[in-house]
Amino acid sequence: RKEVEQDPGPFNVPEGATVAFNCTYSNSASQSFFWYRQDCRKEPKLLMSVYSSGNEDGRFTAQLNRASQYISLLIRDSKLSDSATYLCVVSGGGYSTLTFGKGTMLLVSP
Amino acid sequence: SQTIHQWPATLVQPVGSPLSLECTVEGTSNPNLYWYRQAAGRGLQLLFYSVGIGQISSEVPQNLSASRPQDRQFILSSKKLLLSDSGFYLCAWSGSGEGYTFGSGTRLTVV
Repeated sequence: RKEVEQDPGPFNVPEGATVAFNCTYSNSASQSFFWYRQDCRKEPKLLMSVYSSGNEDGRFTAQLNRASQYISLLIRDSKLSDSATYLCVVSGGGYSTLTFGKGTMLLVSP
Repeated sequence: SQTIHQWPATLVQPVGSPLSLECTVEGTSNPNLYWYRQAAGRGLQLLFYSVGIGQISSEVPQNLSASRPQDRQFILSSKKLLLSDSGFYLCAWSGSGEGYTFGSGTRLTVV
């Protein structure tokens, strides 16, 4: 089983749509969870951390379900500028190195 | 504020040639440092990480090596490049328990 699994997409959505990405992870001892955004041929950039209680940052909402080892990212009112690859990221046991999923590609069209 | 510098941005090297990529961090002390590689169409692969000067952990055995001669300097090297070494090399730093901040990356093409 892969450590961090994501649907590679692409997800094609119109502007203004709501889109959700899911991610599953295999290490039940993981303590830290993040979503990163990577634009084409650029470095990944931290989008948001994911907390057990869930967290929201503007149009973005992240949820964590430890029992199911599942993380989600919801984007509301999609913008053209949201087009990118979204990487699900999970720590190893405790606070060790991070493992990156292969990413889900989002394409927002006019 | 903390910044991370990585160079060069692009590199084309012949098979069998040596490699040296450098990464430096400013504005923080004793950062955790990482080298990742992203091959075309693939995910990020952790190559090396370091929690202090001279301390290097290797995640994937291969013809690459890493060194940390100073607190905020991390170097990725190879004595002889292979075609399979082509990819997007990313340096990153973190504090304890935090997400990583990446440098802008080096796109390496081995020909």
